Amino acid sequence: EAGVAQSPRYKIIEKRQSVAFWCNPISGHATLYWYQQILGQGPKLLIQFQNNGVVDDSQLPKDRFSAERLKGVDSTLKIQPAKLEDSAVYLCASSRQGGVTEAFFGQGTRLTVV
Amino acid sequence: GQQVMQIPQYQHVQEGEDFTTYCNSSTTLSNIQWYKQRPGGHPVFLIQLVKSGEVKKQKRLTFQFGEAKKNSSLHITATQTTDVGTYFCAGRRDAGNMLTFGGGTRLMVKP
Repeated sequence: EAGVAQSPRYKIIEKRQSVAFWCNPISGHATLYWYQQILGQGPKLLIQFQNNGVVDDSQLPKDRFSAERLKGVDSTLKIQPAKLEDSAVYLCASSRQGGVTEAFFGQGTRLTVV
Repeated sequence: GQQVMQIPQYQHVQEGEDFTTYCNSSTTLSNIQWYKQRPGGHPVFLIQLVKSGEVKKQKRLTFQFGEAKKNSSLHITATQTTDVGTYFCAGRRDAGNMLTFGGGTRLMVKP
């Protein structure tokens, strides 16, 4: 079974620039999560999708962050414009519905804003 | 909003010593999960607890879910250098609800 795929692995941008991250979850997984993990902290949930609907986006800074999950499969997370404090690893995860709903994480995208 | 807190933040142990990390939620949880993240890696699922007072074991690891379903613990017996990493608990208030992570406990093991 293929894992969660994310790209790019690394990205360096200047503040006020835009950036987009892509995630392909495990096939058949209905739930998709985007987490922001700042160095030394736990993952902070930005948005959670169930199929192509949003379950929770209460911690997504909507003035600069946006996410979509077209057709309930792949997802993109965008930051526009980026700030220095957005430097973090952005983790995508997916889980199946029902039963043990463990989250399978991708390798993450390490974003550095300079 | 839902908050999940973990203590301690860091723990240094000598190889062979035991280790425990504690997790507390501000709200009653439907279930709680534990993950391990190696340095430079991503979180990897260890276990899920669902029932009040549930205890599960995986070799040297023992996981407990509190009676009130608001706290949990992970205990490692006789730590090894391969146990190094950060251990996170993550809870759901309702099934299908958002999965909220604690701040993690970073375990360092001296050989």
